[in-house]
Parts: sequence; C-alpha cells; structure tokens
Amino acid sequence: AQRVTQPEKLLSVFKGAPVELKCNYSYSGSPELFWYVQYSRQRLQLLLRHISRESIKGFTADLNKGETSFHLKKPFAQEEDSAMYYCALRALGNQGGKLIFGQGTELSVKP
Amino acid sequence: DGGITQSPKYLFRKEGQNVTLSCEQNLNHDAMYWYRQDPGQGLRLIYYSQIVNDFQKGDIAEGYSVSREKKESFPLTVTSAQKNPTAFYLCASSFGEGWGYTFGSGTRLTVV
Repeated sequence: AQRVTQPEKLLSVFKGAPVELKCNYSYSGSPELFWYVQYSRQRLQLLLRHISRESIKGFTADLNKGETSFHLKKPFAQEEDSAMYYCALRALGNQGGKLIFGQGTELSVKP
Repeated sequence: DGGITQSPKYLFRKEGQNVTLSCEQNLNHDAMYWYRQDPGQGLRLIYYSQIVNDFQKGDIAEGYSVSREKKESFPLTVTSAQKNPTAFYLCASSFGEGWGYTFGSGTRLTVV
C-alpha cells in the first residue's frame, strides 16, 4: 500500500535556525514526490517536485530511495516560512495521477 | 484569469440533507480531484476524474457522489449517508500524471 508519513505535527524553530521537515513514504515502485505548502488564509500550493531538483524559497528536498525519505530542508528559517507543509506521493504509471498526502507538519518560525 | 474556483466558501447543512459543492476550472486540465482536509489527518482523496464522463472512487468515497459532464466542472455531492460530513473540502485539477495540482480555495461544510 502507498503511504506517506510526516512524523511531526508541529515543528517550532527560531529565525535563522536550520529546519528539516521529515517525510517518509511506503511504495514499492518508482514514486514521484512533492512538497506542498499552505500559508495562513491562502490556498495549498506546490513548493517542490523531486524530479525538478530545484530550490524554491531556499528549500530543498532530496529523494533517498534507500531510506524511502524526502525530507524538506532549509539552512536558515525565516518568519515567513511559518505554514502548514504537506508531503505527497504519486505512483507512476497508473492511479490516475492521484496524490497521496501525509498528515502535514505545521512549521512555526519564532523571531 | 486562469484558475480553479470553489463555491460556496462556507456551507451549512442540516442533518439528513444532501448538499452539492461546486468546482470549476478554466485551466484546460484533464484531471480533477476532491479531497477532504481534517486536522491531524492531512488530505484524504474522495473521488477523482481523469476525463469527462469518467471518475473513480478514492479512499473515502462512501457517502459522497460526483459527476463529470464537462471538462471544466466536477461537482461533489455530500449525501445524508456521510456520517461525519463537517470538514474542509478541497478541489484540485491537473494535466494528469507527471504534473502537480492546482488547488481551489476550499469549501468549509458544517452540519448543524
């Protein structure tokens, strides 16, 4: 079965500190992994796709197939990073393009 | 102005009533999805549709129904059979596999 696990419901850090939001997945095939972000009073929006290997707003995420993880990292957190973050998985080849989401991690960056 | 629109923003339903949530997109996306968002549970897939006149059940389809008569529209009906309908409902669309989602702003349904 496909599953995405975000072990932390809430992550609180101080401004300027490094941040890592954990995401582990369960899937036997080749997955496509995403991070979505929901800022207060805004729509859920795409932050990163693993196949793009890009850095958005200073965030990066590397797919580790051996550890089945896709952790989101940023070296220096900013207050505007405070938001709800969701990790999501898509099974390639079928499944209608649907995404399986984790439970979400709320990031709080304190001044 | 391209995008995906959900209406209404807030909806109140009496127990025993069916209600329909609207989702419209003008992005020319083939695929559309309905998710339910509950605190601590993330987003759970209710129904999805890859093409017009076709749709599949997601993980929590019981008590819900959908239709896809037009490419632009994917309405969700919450029936009286849904035991715990109070939630935040999100609609999304996509070009399909290999593409990310565009999300609507959501509808908050409350049963009174």
